[in-house]
Amino acid sequence: SQTIHQWPATLVQPVGSPLSLECTVEGTSNPNLYWYRQAAGRGLQLLFYSVGIGQISSEVPQNLSASRPQDRQFILSSKKLLLSDSGFYLCAWSVLIEQFFGPGTRLTVL
Amino acid sequence: AQTVTQSQPEMSVQEAETVTLSCTYDTSENNYYLFWYKQPPSRQMILVIRQEAYKQQNATENRFSVNFQKAAKSFSLKISDSQLGDTAMYFCAFGYNTDKLIFGTGTRLQVFP
Repeated sequence: SQTIHQWPATLVQPVGSPLSLECTVEGTSNPNLYWYRQAAGRGLQLLFYSVGIGQISSEVPQNLSASRPQDRQFILSSKKLLLSDSGFYLCAWSVLIEQFFGPGTRLTVL
Repeated sequence: AQTVTQSQPEMSVQEAETVTLSCTYDTSENNYYLFWYKQPPSRQMILVIRQEAYKQQNATENRFSVNFQKAAKSFSLKISDSQLGDTAMYFCAFGYNTDKLIFGTGTRLQVFP
């Protein structure tokens, strides 16, 4: 069966520090991969998605970037965090249409 | 462009009662998929139910069922015999042959004992 992992689960970082969030999927090949951000009590904002290794589509211009160095690995990064980067970050995968989500990372930027 | 609208920001229901969450969407596509996702306080997104547009029969999963009205572009979720564990944020989502899902803004459901 397929599983999706995200780490870390929680992260507190100072403004201006770098960020690296990792997402890995097991039990499937060539999935589409997604990064979402969710502010408290709000909906999902799609940040990036990838249909293959090295292929990244950005949905909104911002302080973040994404990379897919391996088929089942998706990384969300920032060189310098802003206060507005605080939120809950969700990774998801799909092979057909429906998406399956990881447990999320709660990021607090102070 | 496709849009998904959830017009009820918050709903509440008594335990064991039935509640219906509304979702409407806009698309010019004929073949597509609709989903309801649940996000409990743990914030893990869980797929509750899916509906293929080419199927006339409404999908059901135990206490969860949908009322899919294709002509009206409506896709409501009915939760029967509500349980305290149903307390969550519920998101309606639309997808077709692209790589993305379009999510609604969510409905927060509170189940009271």
